[in-house]
Amino acid sequence: AQSVTQPDIHITVSEGASLELRCNYSYGATPYLFWYVQSPGQGLQLLLKYFSGDTLVQGIKGFEAEFKRSQSSFNLRKPSVHWSDAAEYFCAVGPFNSGNTPLVFGKGTRLSVIA
Amino acid sequence: DAGVTQSPTHLIKTRGQHVTLRCSPISGHKSVSWYQQVLGQGPQFIFQYYEKEERGRGNFPDRFSARQFPNYSSELNVNALLLGDSALYLCASWWLAGIYNEQFFGPGTRLTVL
Repeated sequence: AQSVTQPDIHITVSEGASLELRCNYSYGATPYLFWYVQSPGQGLQLLLKYFSGDTLVQGIKGFEAEFKRSQSSFNLRKPSVHWSDAAEYFCAVGPFNSGNTPLVFGKGTRLSVIA
Repeated sequence: DAGVTQSPTHLIKTRGQHVTLRCSPISGHKSVSWYQQVLGQGPQFIFQYYEKEERGRGNFPDRFSARQFPNYSSELNVNALLLGDSALYLCASWWLAGIYNEQFFGPGTRLTVL
C-alpha cells in the first residue's frame, strides 16, 4: 500500500536558519513526489514536484527537495527561512504515468519560525 | 485567471443532517477530485471525476456521494452527518492529458458538525 511518513509533527526554527523537513514514502512503483504548503485557513499550494530526471528539484519560494531512491526519501530544504514560511507542509506521493489516481499525503509537519 | 473556487467557505450542521459542498474548477480543467482533511491530518482522497464520470473512490462510506456537471463543476454530498465528518473539504482540479498534470487545490470548505 502507498504511504507517506513525515516523522516530525512540529518543527521550530529561527528566522534565517536553514530548514530540512523529512519525508519517507512507501510505493510499489516509480512515484511522483510532491511537497505542498498550507497556510492557516488556506488550501494547498504546490511547492515542487519530482517524477524523473535530476534528483534535486527546485521549487517556488526558495525551496528545494532531493529524491533518494535508496532511502525512499524526499526531504524538503531551504537554506534561510523567512517568517512567512510558517505554515503546514505536506509531502505526497502519486502514481507515475497516470492522471487518474489520487495523491496520498503524509500527516504534515507544522513549521514555526521565531525571531 | 480564477483558481479553483469552493462554496460555502464555512458551514455548521448538526448530526443527522445533509450537506452539499460545491466546487468550480479552473477554466479548461475537466477533472475534479475531493479530499477530506481532518484537523491534524493530511488530506484523504474521497472521489475523482472526469468528464462527469466517477474515476476513483476512496475508503469512505456510502453516505458520501458526488457528481460532476456538464460545465465540470462538482458537488460533494454527505448524508446523515456524524461528528467525525467535521473537516476541511478540499477540491482539486486539473486538465487530464499526458502523463502528469498538476492538481490545483481550492481554499476548501470548513464543515463543523455539532
